[in-house]
Amino acid sequence: EVQLVESGGGLVQPGGSLRLSCAASGFTFNNYWMSWVRQAPGKGLEWVANIKEDAGEKYYVDSVKGRFTISRDNAKNSLYLQMNSLRAEDTAVYYCARNEGPVAALSYWGQGTLVTVSS
Amino acid sequence: SYELTQPPSVSVSPGQTARITCSGDKLGGKYVCWYQQKPGQSPVLVIYKDSKRPSGIPERFSGSNSGNTATLTISGTQAMDEADYYCQAWDSGTAVFGGGTKLTVL
Repeated sequence: EVQLVESGGGLVQPGGSLRLSCAASGFTFNNYWMSWVRQAPGKGLEWVANIKEDAGEKYYVDSVKGRFTISRDNAKNSLYLQMNSLRAEDTAVYYCARNEGPVAALSYWGQGTLVTVSS
Repeated sequence: SYELTQPPSVSVSPGQTARITCSGDKLGGKYVCWYQQKPGQSPVLVIYKDSKRPSGIPERFSGSNSGNTATLTISGTQAMDEADYYCQAWDSGTAVFGGGTKLTVL
């Protein structure tokens, strides 16, 4: 059974940093692109970033470029999102999701972790 | 940047057919996915590559995509289908979601 479990969310002040993790199990992690998607309270879904199987390619939504970094550790079956210079508008539930290809469906999603940016 | 537009809400009576549209420039030239999200839950993929259903998704869910519009169709809508639905496509290596449509089953 495919499982994605996010962790690392919490309350952080504007300008602060946070690192999210996603532990993957039930599939061969290093065979899949992975994504982060976020959802602000009461709002829609927003794709944040994705990363190739070997971390050789990474893509970001414009609003997080230069502030967020996606990475992975295939030996640990883990996906990460380093978030720096956080802003109030980054407040959201952050989901990790498995891509079925570089530009394919997000077939499995974790339960999400809440990030709140507030003073 | 690329944009996908969905109606904010759609209402349907139980047993009837619900259609949710998603519009974008030359969308028919891209593959579209649809996700269902119920309150307090994570999104679930219900349609990929315009019209394919993942295993476990009921046959009443179908999709199409042509021109500038993709459509998610739910035939014989059930109360359990009440949820938010999001379309999604890829543009220049980045994913784009529509704003979401709240489906109400009256």
